[in-house]
Amino acid sequence: AQSVTQLGSHVSVSEGALVLLRCNYSSSVPPYLFWYVQYPNQGLQLLLKYTSAATLVKGINGFEAEFKKSETSFHLTKPSAHMSDAAEYFCAVSYPTGNQFYFGTGTSLTVIP
Amino acid sequence: DSGVTQTPKHLITATGQRVTLRCSPRSGDLSVYWYQQSLDQGLQFLIQYYNGEERAKGNILERFSAQQFPDLHSELNLSSLELGDSALYFCASRAAGQYYNEQFFGPGTRLTVL
Repeated sequence: AQSVTQLGSHVSVSEGALVLLRCNYSSSVPPYLFWYVQYPNQGLQLLLKYTSAATLVKGINGFEAEFKKSETSFHLTKPSAHMSDAAEYFCAVSYPTGNQFYFGTGTSLTVIP
Repeated sequence: DSGVTQTPKHLITATGQRVTLRCSPRSGDLSVYWYQQSLDQGLQFLIQYYNGEERAKGNILERFSAQQFPDLHSELNLSSLELGDSALYFCASRAAGQYYNEQFFGPGTRLTVL
């Protein structure tokens, strides 16, 4: 089955510390990968996406993610957390074989002042 | 602003009732996806339409139905409502043509069933 797994439903970091949110996919077909952010009471908005053009993808708000085929991973990082980064983060995949998106269960990021 | 609109923003109703949620996709997007988000179930894919036709079904209850109209707006109908149907309902649209095209989400409709 094609799916995406986010390890850690809750992550806490101190302000200024590294943010690392994990995402792994499971499929033999190379996927397209996405990270979305959801602030309280809002819809999801795209942070960045991997479309096979480059393995290191830079997104908005200083976030980036690296596609590692050997590890089937697409972890999201940010060098220095800001209070405004506190939100829910979703990893998602799509495949060149269908229309559907598959979302992970989400990771809630807390930033401690 | 994603360009996807949803109405109403909030909806409060009673058990057993029926409601209709509306979604207008971004201009030119042919695909519409519906999701339910609750605290205990997380983000659940319900159903997808493409240019008026149903394309994929997720965890959608038989009490729920949806359709996409010729002008591409979509409606999600929820009937015989139960307390457990209280949730945020999101609509997302997606451009056709490339499988790496992202979904754009609307602001959601918060449904409260009392």
